[in-house]
Amino acid sequence: QSALTQPASVSGSPGQSITISCTGSSSDVGGYNYVSWYQQYPGKVPKLLIYEDNQRHSGVSNRFSGTKSGNTASLTISGLQAEDEADYYCCSYTSTSSRVFGGGTKLTVL
Amino acid sequence: QVHLVQSGAEVKKPGASVKVSCKASGYTFIYSAMHWVRQAPGQSLEWMGWINAGNGNTRYSETLQGRVTITRDTSANTIYMELSSLTSEDTAVYYCARDMPNNRKSFDYWGQGTLVTVSS
Repeated sequence: QSALTQPASVSGSPGQSITISCTGSSSDVGGYNYVSWYQQYPGKVPKLLIYEDNQRHSGVSNRFSGTKSGNTASLTISGLQAEDEADYYCCSYTSTSSRVFGGGTKLTVL
Repeated sequence: QVHLVQSGAEVKKPGASVKVSCKASGYTFIYSAMHWVRQAPGQSLEWMGWINAGNGNTRYSETLQGRVTITRDTSANTIYMELSSLTSEDTAVYYCARDMPNNRKSFDYWGQGTLVTVSS
């Protein structure tokens, strides 16, 4: 199972919106409504943001939203804040009842 | 409150095996599956496998199949991950992560991580 494809880095200024893409195949991202997104600060444990493509986890700011079209899922962060600077990972359920992560995206808030 | 508490850091020699534990509390243990995810230094997350805590069924990553074994002890509410034939490429932080209830196929709670260092 190949890793899902994410951009290595994205950046934005405070107050702006950014979008991180996550591309897979019909055997994972495109085949099921089970893409999740995680935020990870350096040296910390990953935190669930979005599940089932677009459902915000309990306690997560409504500035985070998830969408999907075909084999590509996306995480959008609106009203960018300094505290959003972190690594972001997508993950998908697969046709073999496994999971596959993306390569991760480093978000820099300028 | 859900808590996943993992065992401490390990240093192993190449060729050895390591067994990491993950003790769960705050929910009904047998009702949720548990996954293992690892992260090598400076690298992305890698899914390793999962176990149905109720019936013990498992599924492993194709890349680790044959080297990884996940088991559970329902009397101790604990999940174990054993990785054999270690090489330096297995140096990583290993996390247990709970499968979100109601078949949501996401990881809602994570252990604190266990650093496994493989070095001669």
